[in-house]
Amino acid sequence: KNEVEQSPQNLTAQEGEFITINCSYSVGISALHWLQQHPGGGIVSLFMLSSGKKKHGRLIATINIQEKHSSLHITASHPRDSAVYICAVRVTGNQFYFGTGTSLTVIP
Amino acid sequence: NAGVTQTPKFQVLKTGQSMTLQCAQDMNHEYMSWYRQDPGMGLRLIHYSVGAGITDQGEVPNGYNVSRSTTEDFPLRLLSAAPSQTSVYFCASREVGTGELFFGEGSRLTVL
Repeated sequence: KNEVEQSPQNLTAQEGEFITINCSYSVGISALHWLQQHPGGGIVSLFMLSSGKKKHGRLIATINIQEKHSSLHITASHPRDSAVYICAVRVTGNQFYFGTGTSLTVIP
Repeated sequence: NAGVTQTPKFQVLKTGQSMTLQCAQDMNHEYMSWYRQDPGMGLRLIHYSVGAGITDQGEVPNGYNVSRSTTEDFPLRLLSAAPSQTSVYFCASREVGTGELFFGEGSRLTVL
């Protein structure tokens, strides 16, 4: 059973396109995280959300607690955005569940 | 500010060998954790700690030991390596105030 589901699994976009990655979860959470992992690299935290919407540069993250759904949007995508984007939820206590990731490739 | 530092980055072991993956953070975070990342699966929690002297099991603890003698260090020990432990391992710490997660660069372990 997967507590966190992401879609799509793979995404190819042309430079400049608007991108949306979705995350649905089935458990009660205290927070949701969006993470970025470059090929062969470490993992970087992009956002932590418990409600509403956050924006950082070209990245926007939203969460709907009632629907147990979050989206990560990238505006004006660029080849350097190519990475795996991971959704993670923190449940009560210190347990985290992670999605399998969305692999994004942005073509120049 | 180094953040979270993991060593080694790469390691090859034979079945039955033991080893320790090191993790250190310089941000004074109380919460530290170890995950493994396998193809087609999300990160899975192995062990975590909420402070020096306190550790607890995660989702996949079998075959691994941890200890937390200081706030800074959280080593992961493989007692008798098995091929099923071939994976990429990540150490992470969490800032209590913001809840933000900080990850190390990862350690790729191959068990033959």
